[in-house]
Amino acid sequence: SQQGEEDPQALSIQEGENATMNCSYKTSINNLQWYRQNSGRGLVHLILIRSNEREKHSGRLRVTLDTSKKSSSLLITASRAADTASYFCATGGLGSGNTGKLIFGQGTTLQVKP
Amino acid sequence: KAGVTQTPRYLIKTRGQQVTLSCSPISGHRSVSWYQQTPGQGLQFLFEYFSETQRNKGNFPGRFSGRQFSNSRSEMNVSTLELGDSALYLCASNQGQGDYGYTFGSGTRLTVV
Repeated sequence: SQQGEEDPQALSIQEGENATMNCSYKTSINNLQWYRQNSGRGLVHLILIRSNEREKHSGRLRVTLDTSKKSSSLLITASRAADTASYFCATGGLGSGNTGKLIFGQGTTLQVKP
Repeated sequence: KAGVTQTPRYLIKTRGQQVTLSCSPISGHRSVSWYQQTPGQGLQFLFEYFSETQRNKGNFPGRFSGRQFSNSRSEMNVSTLELGDSALYLCASNQGQGDYGYTFGSGTRLTVV
């Protein structure tokens, strides 16, 4: 079963615009992670936010976490064609009692048009 | 630093056969997890090994098994293959302690015919 629901399922924007993806989850967490996947290849870890953090930045990425609403959002600013990929949120993993186990949402497919 | 290496990249097998997939984690990483990705079910956790011990297991039938060697390399085996086992199998490694992200391999694309 999947922990998270991601919204929207698909997003198409022009280069230079911002992209926002949302993730909701069901159980208490110790951290939430975001991953990117290009065209059926392996996942790339983007950012991890701990349950006691509300916001985190990494380059053009900004992640927020609202534990009271059990939701997170990923914002990609000034998007580029190279950002075209599927984005997944994941919960669980080490420190949450589910050692080594990540539970993924179904993902958001982002297309950035040049 | 070399990444997570999965072999083979592509595999075609016949129903009823068995298959073994291999994963070499990042040097120093002691945790290796396996995931199955399909269009219908998404990314699903298979199992995780830490220091040669299975630490967690997902909800998959006993046909799916794995092991980890003393050098942290891991293998997963699927016996009596079914058409529904066609998927991208991903392995991920991690230090094994603390809150860190996982490094994934490029995956093995298994097709069962």
